[in-house]
Amino acid sequence: QISLEESGPTVVKPKQTLTLTCTYSGFSLNSFGQGVGWIRQPPSKAPEWLALIYWDDEVRYSTVLNDRLTITKDTSKNQVVLTLTNVSSVDTATYFCARSETTGCFDYWGPGSLVTVSS
Amino acid sequence: QSVLTQPPSVSEVPRQRVTISCSGSSSNIGNNGVSWYQQLPGKAPRLLIYNDDRVRPGVSDRFSAAKSGTSASLAISGLRSEDEADYFCGAWDDSLGAPVFGGGTKLTVL
Repeated sequence: QISLEESGPTVVKPKQTLTLTCTYSGFSLNSFGQGVGWIRQPPSKAPEWLALIYWDDEVRYSTVLNDRLTITKDTSKNQVVLTLTNVSSVDTATYFCARSETTGCFDYWGPGSLVTVSS
Repeated sequence: QSVLTQPPSVSEVPRQRVTISCSGSSSNIGNNGVSWYQQLPGKAPRLLIYNDDRVRPGVSDRFSAAKSGTSASLAISGLRSEDEADYFCGAWDDSLGAPVFGGGTKLTVL
């Protein structure tokens, strides 16, 4: 069965770089049409999409955060990594990774990883 | 400010039917498939509906959805207490070249 799980720090200091890893299983990110995305959700707010990486290495980023985000994949490890530079308190959120097989749709989600930006 | 617009909250009594709306534009809902997600407190979103009105296998048939023009709706019939959750709509936006979400609707089962 398909599963994804996020891992990374729970607390990050302001101006540091946040690195999160999504480890997935049950599907191949080398297969046509597959993608993995990152979505974050501040407490009591709506989800905000951050980035997507596809089977063919195409990447897409949120226009709002484009210059601060990098998404990469390592299919040998079944992992997708997201980095967010120069964090501040507004980046405090639960970060989810999710599979995308249909354009704009996320069918399997990880449980989420709460990240707090605090000195 | 979310690209897709949903009412912040809806409420209904058990066994009744409730509808949640999602309004967008020609660059998202009007030209792409709509998805609906359920998010229970403290949990990750769960996909319920994809491609406008396709119920995901394993999801109760009490859930249904429709789309007309640049608006979509999710209906839940035979309401139960376990349906109390946040519901989000989503779609691809051609202008942004990105997926977008609604602001979410909190369903309260009275």
